[in-house]
Amino acid sequence: AQTVTQSQPEMSVQEAETVTLSCTYDTSESNYYLFWYKQPPSRQMILVIRQEAYKQQNATENRFSVNFQKAAKSFSLKISDSQLGDTAMYFCAFMTLFTGNQFYFGTGTSLTVIP
Amino acid sequence: SQTIHQWPATLVQPVGSPLSLECTVEGTSNPNLYWYRQAAGRGLQLLFYSVGIGQISSEVPQNLSASRPQDRQFILSSKKLLLSDSGFYLCAWTQGQNEQFFGPGTRLTVL
Repeated sequence: AQTVTQSQPEMSVQEAETVTLSCTYDTSESNYYLFWYKQPPSRQMILVIRQEAYKQQNATENRFSVNFQKAAKSFSLKISDSQLGDTAMYFCAFMTLFTGNQFYFGTGTSLTVIP
Repeated sequence: SQTIHQWPATLVQPVGSPLSLECTVEGTSNPNLYWYRQAAGRGLQLLFYSVGIGQISSEVPQNLSASRPQDRQFILSSKKLLLSDSGFYLCAWTQGQNEQFFGPGTRLTVL
């Protein structure tokens, strides 16, 4: 079975500081993809960053970067120079290449950036 | 470019009434399509996914059904709504080894 676990239901960070959101997953697959999505109060789901499991290099998108540890099945998101607009729910997701390219989502981490 | 539409944006329905939520995708062909439900403050629960016209897979037993009458159209239905069907419904699509793209969602309240 494929599972995604986000153990931090809520987090807060001071504006301009750095915060790390944790995510672990479980799969028997060797080829898969990992994602972080952001859901602001508007509830529109927005892709933040993606990581291919076959790539050892950690993905980076501007202030967002990941720490991908394949052996540990860990995929954490680091947000640098936090901004008020980063306040949102963050979901870690995992995609297999089975029929339907099913996605598995964690339960989310609610991040609040404090001015 | 690709876009995904969902309607209505908000819906209030009495218990026992029927439901029809529609999702359409533009700018792509033969996408995989998905329906999710998100309870307040919670994660996403996959309800249905489809890899082609007329092909529907259900993830959880429930009061809802889905149909894909056209390549880029995905419909979520119910014959009789329950209180527990209230929630935020998201449609999404993907193609190949790419991320999922989400629609704006429908907020359903069953009274």
